[in-house]
Amino acid sequence: DAGVIQSPRHEVTEMGQEVTLRCKPISGHDYLFWYRQTMMRGLELLIYFNNNVPIDDSGMPEDRFSAKMPNASFSTLKIQPSEPRDSAVYFCASSLFARDGYTFGSGTRLTVV
Amino acid sequence: DAKTTQPPSMDCAEGRAANLPCNHSTISGNEYVYWYRQIHSQGPQYIIHGLKNNETNEMASLIITEDRKSSTLILPHATLRDTAVYYCIVRVDLSGTYKYIFGTGTRLKVLA
Repeated sequence: DAGVIQSPRHEVTEMGQEVTLRCKPISGHDYLFWYRQTMMRGLELLIYFNNNVPIDDSGMPEDRFSAKMPNASFSTLKIQPSEPRDSAVYFCASSLFARDGYTFGSGTRLTVV
Repeated sequence: DAKTTQPPSMDCAEGRAANLPCNHSTISGNEYVYWYRQIHSQGPQYIIHGLKNNETNEMASLIITEDRKSSTLILPHATLRDTAVYYCIVRVDLSGTYKYIFGTGTRLKVLA
């Protein structure tokens, strides 16, 4: 298995632009998680899905952030409009069952200038 | 939320056992302890988890005290590639939702 695949690996965008991050979970995994990592705040859970349904989005910082999972093999995290403080590494992770360990992707490093 | 306390950094000689402690004194009865590590610029990697009993897999051993207020992750023969930040996490179950709360972790440096 190729693991959790995230794209792009790096994204540089100007403030005010829309940014879309993509994630392909491991086939058959029912849970998908989006995390954000910064030096100041560490790793933060933004949102997670179970069977394509958003379960907990309490970590999504603002209405500028939205996440979707249209099918079991694809999820997106969108920021519109982007701001410099959104600069971070965004990780996607998936797991088969709730109590399994998660498999994380390699992350997307977002820089908003 | 159950929180964890870990030392900010540790050193370990290559080939020796690395023992990483974690305090989770507010853990409740149905909360699992998980360990992950993050090698520089990579995504976190799952290592092991447990509830009450000690656990062992190909990567590490997890020792949980009888009162469950603390645990120790043991890397039996540390190598340079084990240099990473190690996170001890108590997963919080809230009305059917599941959350990891990552702390600041322990930065382990394995020395040649």
